[in-house]
Amino acid sequence: DGGITQSPKYLFRKEGQNVTLSCEQNLNHDAMYWYRQDPGQGLRLIYYSQIVNDFQKGDIAEGYSVSREKKESFPLTVTSAQKNPTAFYLCASSPRVARANNEQFFGPGTRLTVL
Amino acid sequence: QKEVEQNSGPLSVPEGAIASLNCTYSDRGSQSFFWYRQYSGKSPELIMSIYSNGDKEDGRFTAQLNKASQYVSLLIRDSQPSDSATYLCAVNHREGAQKLVFGQGTRLTINP
Repeated sequence: DGGITQSPKYLFRKEGQNVTLSCEQNLNHDAMYWYRQDPGQGLRLIYYSQIVNDFQKGDIAEGYSVSREKKESFPLTVTSAQKNPTAFYLCASSPRVARANNEQFFGPGTRLTVL
Repeated sequence: QKEVEQNSGPLSVPEGAIASLNCTYSDRGSQSFFWYRQYSGKSPELIMSIYSNGDKEDGRFTAQLNKASQYVSLLIRDSQPSDSATYLCAVNHREGAQKLVFGQGTRLTINP
């Protein structure tokens, strides 16, 4: 059963803690992305990766870190430096790098709440 | 000016009517255009993509692209209550670019 999985579905964090959100895909997609969505707003790009061991900052990378050690996995760490981390976090993937169409497909998301 | 703009709504349409959602974008060199549907509390689902001027139809959905006027629209025919959702417009500015730019979404409600 192919797809993109994210875990956990809900995550609660105390202020000052780092947390890591998991994203795994078995679609053999090259590129993976992390977005953040705040209530009533569109998606904002945090980080993206086109190949293993390489990634680029998106529009709002401050306070976040990522790794891409395997093609299937692209975990996101929300660090204590992120001032307002409460949001809905979405992971996406797309089939091929440098392809004009760039259709992206999303996982189910992780809702992070800072207590 | 925002790169991708949508009317946030809410847009209310009676069941069975045509729902029309609009999106404008600022980068004239944009190449690819996408419509995503997002139900409340869920992740976005890709429903349409369009790459050239004109209309593209898929079932009850029609995407329309006019690059000269820099707008893309989504028509939903025979609207159903299950179409009630937020619709996100996304634009890929350049061929080979990895970044999609999203609008803030239009909330659509279909009234039975």
